[in-house]
Amino acid sequence: EVQILETGGGLVKPGGSLRLSCATSGFNFNDYFMNWVRQAPGKGLEWVAQIRNKNYNYATYYAESLEGRVTISRDDSKSSVYLQVSSLRAEDTAIYYCSTGWFAYWGQGTLVTVSS
Amino acid sequence: DVVMTQTPPSLSVAIGQSVSISCKSSQSLVYSDGKTYLHWLLQSPGRSPKRLIYQVSNLGSGVPDRFSGTGSQKDFTLKISRVEAEDLGVYYCAQTTHFPNTFGAGTKLELK
Repeated sequence: EVQILETGGGLVKPGGSLRLSCATSGFNFNDYFMNWVRQAPGKGLEWVAQIRNKNYNYATYYAESLEGRVTISRDDSKSSVYLQVSSLRAEDTAIYYCSTGWFAYWGQGTLVTVSS
Repeated sequence: DVVMTQTPPSLSVAIGQSVSISCKSSQSLVYSDGKTYLHWLLQSPGRSPKRLIYQVSNLGSGVPDRFSGTGSQKDFTLKISRVEAEDLGVYYCAQTTHFPNTFGAGTKLELK
């Protein structure tokens, strides 16, 4: 059974930083590209970042609106992917989902709230 | 960025009815490998999204064959035959051909 668990969300002040983690099991993590997707309250889905697998030299891609403030990384030995987000703003408030390439599998999400 | 335009924004349906949702992209979604990376997702109320269809017309694992996807280039359709209560929620189309990957704004399927 595929399991994806995001952690690391919470309440953070504007200008602060967070590191989100995504632990996976039940599929061959090394074969998959991994994405972070976010959803602001009551809004639609917004792709944030992707990291490819070893075969693609772990290439990374970012949404332009977040570029420079986010870093995606992965640890294949732990079947995990991470998202470092800095200089957080109120508009970054959202549920952050971890998803595999082509959005085959999703976690339950972790809520990030940016507020003073 | 590739803009994904979904219509209608909402649909009110009776159980057993068939419905279609349209998704049009601002650019062709055919990748250099000849494949089209257009997918359909369903987000049921209070749940994470779930992929229904990948690469235009391929049914995801465990997805009932009441769901079908068609289309090419820039024009795609999701059809749901014989809607069931569990089908209610917001449907999104998504493209992974181009970066940034983008989603449609969603189509909310509600009970009549």
